[in-house]
Amino acid sequence: GAVVSQHPSWVICKSGTSVKIECRSLDFQATTMFWYRQFPKQSLMLMATSNEGSKATYEQGVEKDKFLINHASLTLSTLTVTSAHPEDSSFYICSALLGLGTQYFGPGTRLLVL
Amino acid sequence: QQQVKQSPQSLIVQKGGISIINCAYENTAFDYFPWYQQFPGKGPALLIAIRPDVSEKKEGRFTISFNKSAKQFSLHIMDSQPGDSATYFCAASMETSGSRLTFGEGTQLTVNP
Repeated sequence: GAVVSQHPSWVICKSGTSVKIECRSLDFQATTMFWYRQFPKQSLMLMATSNEGSKATYEQGVEKDKFLINHASLTLSTLTVTSAHPEDSSFYICSALLGLGTQYFGPGTRLLVL
Repeated sequence: QQQVKQSPQSLIVQKGGISIINCAYENTAFDYFPWYQQFPGKGPALLIAIRPDVSEKKEGRFTISFNKSAKQFSLHIMDSQPGDSATYFCAASMETSGSRLTFGEGTQLTVNP
């Protein structure tokens, strides 16, 4: 149980285009999901908290107009990287909150912006 | 203080040995302390977690030791295997902040055959 999926697993796009990443909790409902970014050999950096039916809460320094988050259902949150640039290339990982404190992570999406 | 300090940065252990990774925190409001295992190119997988009302939790070969007064917790991997070679992250969160995780810097564990 407690499976979280992400789609796509990897994506290559041209600079200036937008990319949407989906995060789904497959066997449980999650009112709260989280989006992280991870650079090579580094820890996970929380970007935003996604709450079903309400606006996402962004961490300090994360541009909310660049990283659009939608949590329209209890099993799906999406992250859209708008007008992507090479510096947005990274490994994006989502997680879903189950119960008190336990986060289950997706497999990640590797984004490469050319 | 929201930081969680993790050490060592890297660790090499022989097969069958004990791997020990340590974490320290400052914020006494943290009430949940999980450990995650991450393989290259994959998302982190929850290994084991503990709350401050207990001092130790064991699941299979993995044990968390928790010292509330010292604000430290550690992961012990008994009988380490080459398949345990991965990056391990400690983390901490508190329910009052929406269970947002603060991660340690990570430990690259290598278990030699």
